[in-house]
Amino acid sequence: DAGITQSPRHKVTETGTPVTLRCHQTENHRYMYWYRQDPGHGLRLIHYSYGVKDTDKGEVSDGYSVSRSKTEDFLLTLESATSSQTSVYFCAISVRLDDNEQFFGPGTRLTVL
Amino acid sequence: AQSVTQLDSQVPVFEEAPVELRCNYSSSVSVYLFWYVQYPNQGLQLLLKYLSGSTLVKGINGFEAEFNKSQTSFHLRKPSVHISDTAEYFCAVRKTGANNLFFGTGTRLTVIP
Repeated sequence: DAGITQSPRHKVTETGTPVTLRCHQTENHRYMYWYRQDPGHGLRLIHYSYGVKDTDKGEVSDGYSVSRSKTEDFLLTLESATSSQTSVYFCAISVRLDDNEQFFGPGTRLTVL
Repeated sequence: AQSVTQLDSQVPVFEEAPVELRCNYSSSVSVYLFWYVQYPNQGLQLLLKYLSGSTLVKGINGFEAEFNKSQTSFHLRKPSVHISDTAEYFCAVRKTGANNLFFGTGTRLTVIP
């Protein structure tokens, strides 16, 4: 295990409510990522971080924001959840940005009703 | 733009038979190529990667893949599958020097006893 935990592991919420997912790592890796996994799409990058308070957008960032106030925590926030954001969310970490292996967390299954 | 195509969404195969999971990519520049495996209700694990050098790459659990630049392919193979290989397999590509991993849509391998 790469020392990555995600919380919560499962969440059901209603449209329009805010939701925050947490990724926590014990590896002290600099780079952290948030992906969503949907049938027929594979994994798509939402946002990533290259250090404390340094973040950038991925290919599907609309409707999501992130924050990283500590090396070990990377938060993903849905300000106003929509049904299209029902998905499985994975956090990943890597040693370097060009590091060729990313280590993945166990995932969070989010359902927006 | 980069894209990754996994031609088969599902591949059933009998135990101890060989298997090939196909992956093609499109990119105008050099890329790194990866195969990840996802067991049920788990995150992704790296199976193998191609960075440079020998085009035949060996990974964990007896899997191997061959990079074919002229055909822009990176097919995954195993000569004899086990029940425990039942999982979803994702091909991914990263353009050299870029931030993002782009994933294919996945191939669900089911090993039949």
